[in-house]
Amino acid sequence: DIQMTQSPSSLSASVGDRVTITCRASQDIFNSLAWYQQKPGKLPRLLIYAASTLSLGVPSRFSGSGSGTHFTLTISRLQPEDFATYYCQNYNSVPLTFGGGTNVEI
Amino acid sequence: EVQLVESGGDFIQPGRSLRLSCTASGFTFDDYAMNWVRQVPGKGLEWVSGISWNSGSIAYADSVKGRFSISRDNAKNSVYLQMNSLKSEDTALYYCVKDISAFISYMDVWGRGTTVTVSS
Repeated sequence: DIQMTQSPSSLSASVGDRVTITCRASQDIFNSLAWYQQKPGKLPRLLIYAASTLSLGVPSRFSGSGSGTHFTLTISRLQPEDFATYYCQNYNSVPLTFGGGTNVEI
Repeated sequence: EVQLVESGGDFIQPGRSLRLSCTASGFTFDDYAMNWVRQVPGKGLEWVSGISWNSGSIAYADSVKGRFSISRDNAKNSVYLQMNSLKSEDTALYYCVKDISAFISYMDVWGRGTTVTVSS
């Protein structure tokens, strides 16, 4: 099975900051990576798929990059509504696997 | 409006069985794969199982393989998760989640979940 490792597990940031979250796969998953955002008490929301393609309605301050085993999610200028937990997910092969999550807090 | 509604969650003793159901509406159900994802409150997401549009491809997480079984009935716009030999570590909120394609990949629509508590 492919293991997904996110770092950091949590971070503190301020409105307007640039934030970068890293996700590493235990083997090559090409660009078969998705990112989700989950706010407390809410459902996960798809942000990015194919490593760098924004899902419909996602603000352009979000961006994704990487391929193979190393991926990043960047929020260019953090907004109040961006404080949440972010998960990466491998879909190159089953079983699908999620990273452990990164909690972005104030 | 695309909607997924789960049911069947319960408080149940270890070793017993439970069947979760998910009914979909607002989209052409048999065009898409479906998944079950679980989450312990305050913890991360764990994919449990997925099934392709025609049930031709089915997969499970290692943690549930041999105990859980996924199925779907396209005529009823429904997907099911049969959970046998339940363990305390299966306690979680179980989400029914629509896949983005006909085959198991990534996911775009989540149900509100149904809670399974396994305890003696």
